[in-house]
Amino acid sequence: DQQVKQNSPSLSVQEGRISILNCDYTNSMFDYFLWYKKYPAEGPTFLISISSIKDKNEDGRFTVFLNKSAKHLSLHIVPSQPGDSAVYFCAAILYRGHGKLTFGQGTILTVHP
Amino acid sequence: DGGITQSPKYLFRKEGQNVTLSCEQNLNHDAMYWYRQDPGQGLRLIYYSQIVNDFQKGDIAEGYSVSREKKESFPLTVTSAQKNPTAFYLCASSSPRGLQNYGYTFGSGTRLTVV
Repeated sequence: DQQVKQNSPSLSVQEGRISILNCDYTNSMFDYFLWYKKYPAEGPTFLISISSIKDKNEDGRFTVFLNKSAKHLSLHIVPSQPGDSAVYFCAAILYRGHGKLTFGQGTILTVHP
Repeated sequence: DGGITQSPKYLFRKEGQNVTLSCEQNLNHDAMYWYRQDPGQGLRLIYYSQIVNDFQKGDIAEGYSVSREKKESFPLTVTSAQKNPTAFYLCASSSPRGLQNYGYTFGSGTRLTVV
């Protein structure tokens, strides 16, 4: 039972353009969402998060949008840079769920110069 | 500097052998977690511990065991009962809620290969 899904295994974008990574979830009790960036053979690095009481959070080039009615969130990266090339995971935390993260499958982002 | 140390970085195991992956943190975090990464499946929770001498099974605990005798340490043993142990293993710890990233810190991982 995949409660957090990233349906696009990969995304290719030109440098300077916008990258949009999508994530869907099924459990309406998730109350906090996070995006991580990961390189091979390394641990994930936190990027940005959003509480379920908000619909947008922005941090520099990164913006996360949350649509609770659609159970959908997206990460926008503007402008995209070659150094952004990595695997991106969305993750969710269950309300009072002891802080366990539930991850999506990940999306490989490639930004071409 | 505070952080999480996983060792070794790479580990090879013969079929039928048990192997223990180390995870140590000096962040004074109460909670610690073990995740497994396989291609196309994201990170899946194996075991977690919220306090010393207590731990709970995650989504894929079969074939694994853990202990939490000290706050700083949360070793994971991959037993011979684990059918597909070859994977990348990540340890994490977290501090209480209220921080934007839930206080999660990840180690750099251990790549386990069964030969």
